[in-house]
Amino acid sequence: DARVTQTPRHKVTEMGQEVTMRCQPILGHNTVFWYRQTMMQGLELLAYFRNRAPLDDSGMPKDRFSAEMPDATLATLKIQPSEPRDSAVYFCASGLIRQGEYEQYFGPGTRLTVT
Amino acid sequence: GQQVMQIPQYQHVQEGEDFTTYCNSSTTLSNIQWYKQRPGGHPVFLIQLVKSGEVKKQKRLTFQFGEAKKNSSLHITATQTTDVGTYFCAAPFSGTYKYIFGTGTRLKVLA
Repeated sequence: DARVTQTPRHKVTEMGQEVTMRCQPILGHNTVFWYRQTMMQGLELLAYFRNRAPLDDSGMPKDRFSAEMPDATLATLKIQPSEPRDSAVYFCASGLIRQGEYEQYFGPGTRLTVT
Repeated sequence: GQQVMQIPQYQHVQEGEDFTTYCNSSTTLSNIQWYKQRPGGHPVFLIQLVKSGEVKKQKRLTFQFGEAKKNSSLHITATQTTDVGTYFCAAPFSGTYKYIFGTGTRLKVLA
């Protein structure tokens, strides 16, 4: 049963520290997304990759966030420096575009707390 | 910009009652998706609707796409406690695979 995996599942850090979140998409999926979920803002799209190429990161605060896909089995989301307002659950999702049909499979998320 | 509005925000129902959540877009959509997120969990894909006026059923769940492809609904017949969670619609941003999620409807089922 193929799944998207994310590490770490929980992260508590102090303001100003660097945070790196990792995602292993489902093998064979050609799109990867990073989302952030908070009570106030709901589910927000941060970044979007297709065939490992970044297509859209307009949802990300550029000065502190960066997203990369160094290879097909790893996507990373980095925050440097972190701030308390970054506290949220960060989801990675992967999907496959096939004849116009598409569905996303979400990972379990990384719950980030910045103090 | 493109927006996806979802109502209601919350719904409490007695077990056995029906439930409906509605999703409205400011623009015509190529397709719409529905997800369910259990408390403490992650969104899980339920279905994708593509055709104007399309209706799809999954057991007690009925999904509908409006004729103008600007709105959609999810109806649950005879809710059960396992239906508890937040239901999201998601629409692609004009011609891309970048999906905008609605605000979600949180469903509570009282036994």
